[in-house]
Amino acid sequence: QKEVEQNSGPLSVPEGAIASLNCTYSDRGSQSFFWYRQYSGKSPELIMSIYSNGDKEDGRFTAQLNKASQYVSLLIRDSQPSDSATYLCAVNLGTSYGKLTFGQGTILTVHP
Amino acid sequence: ETGVTQTPRHLVMGMTNKKSLKCEQHLGHNAMYWYKQSAKKPLELMFVYNFKEQTENNSVPSRFSPECPNSSHLFLHLHTLQPEDSALYLCASSQDAGEVYEQYFGPGTRLTVT
Repeated sequence: QKEVEQNSGPLSVPEGAIASLNCTYSDRGSQSFFWYRQYSGKSPELIMSIYSNGDKEDGRFTAQLNKASQYVSLLIRDSQPSDSATYLCAVNLGTSYGKLTFGQGTILTVHP
Repeated sequence: ETGVTQTPRHLVMGMTNKKSLKCEQHLGHNAMYWYKQSAKKPLELMFVYNFKEQTENNSVPSRFSPECPNSSHLFLHLHTLQPEDSALYLCASSQDAGEVYEQYFGPGTRLTVT
């Protein structure tokens, strides 16, 4: 089992729809969770961080964390073509102080 | 300059060359990181420095040699690389190397080893 696993893509949604990106992690002791967006040829850009169970909203983005089920998700409301990118889930696993482990990424395409 | 900067942005080197990558952060952070991003593979942590001290070496081959002279600067010295070392090398920084601190990335250096 991979330490951090994201739902396989690519994911394609129409403009204006809700895009749902999922991530599961292996270490139940993990405490910190991050979502990054990476445009083609660019470096990762931090979108959201979440540390507590529940939802965290920032504009059109909502991160959801469920530690009991060991998953974290990112919802993008009113998806725009400019949201088309690879989304990376990163977890500070419970056994790795100061280290982020990344998932393989989910490619999202928002078509007009 | 703002954020995290990296130079050069692109580098082509032969297997016998020696080169260095430079990273500078303008965020007042105390922790800096080197990551490697290869095609079709997840981002992979290489080194962690916290307050200039190396706290993590993720089993990186000795042909990669990091240097952190102060909390704002980080170097990656390269020598006798292999073609499979061709990748995007990313530098990141955070307030501290603790688990709750967000990491911010530089633009990366695209390295090609011929």
